[in-house]
Amino acid sequence: EAQVTQNPRYLITVTGKKLTVTCSQNMNHEYMSWYRQDPGLGLRQIYYSMNVEVTDKGDVPEGYKVSRKEKRNFPLILESPSPNQTSLYFCASSNELRGQPQHFGDGTRLSIL
Amino acid sequence: EDKVVQSPLSLVVHEGDTVTLNCSYEVTNFRSLLWYKQEKKAPTFLFMLTSSGIEKKSGRLSSILDKKELFSILNITATQTGDSAVYLCAPRFRTATPTNAGGTSYGKLTFGQGTILTVHP
Repeated sequence: EAQVTQNPRYLITVTGKKLTVTCSQNMNHEYMSWYRQDPGLGLRQIYYSMNVEVTDKGDVPEGYKVSRKEKRNFPLILESPSPNQTSLYFCASSNELRGQPQHFGDGTRLSIL
Repeated sequence: EDKVVQSPLSLVVHEGDTVTLNCSYEVTNFRSLLWYKQEKKAPTFLFMLTSSGIEKKSGRLSSILDKKELFSILNITATQTGDSAVYLCAPRFRTATPTNAGGTSYGKLTFGQGTILTVHP
């Protein structure tokens, strides 16, 4: 089954403790992206990647890092999480070259205390 | 700056009603516009519109794009309680070519705030 898989689905942690949210897709998509969703602000793009070793900032990249060492994986790293990063995070992937729509993972609800 | 405005922000109707959701946008290098439905979790894809005036239809849902006036509408006829969700529109546009991308430009999605639709029995 074609899917985008995020882990963990829920995480409560404390300020300053490094964490990684993993994202994996099995559709051989070259394009992957991370979004955060906050009430009243909609979905905002954090980082995106157009292929292996090719990443770029989205609209709200501060406080986040990403890497794309393999085509299927695109982890989101919070080196020193802060409470303002408490949010619902989505990973998405697509075949952008063919103009196909993005497929989303089920989301990761992150709470930083 | 790219801008996407959806209206209304919230809508409450009864089963059987017809609703029209609006999305207006201002983006440079427009490529296409996507509609998603979001229930409890991930947004799920509904439609992708690239050409003006051509209606896309899927069951009771339909959508159309006006590239001249920069808006799109999503219609839902004979609404059901299962239509209750947040509906998101997202214009896709070409980004400036990143310096490390080997000369390839890709599409970027900008999402509106969404319309919260509630359908009562």
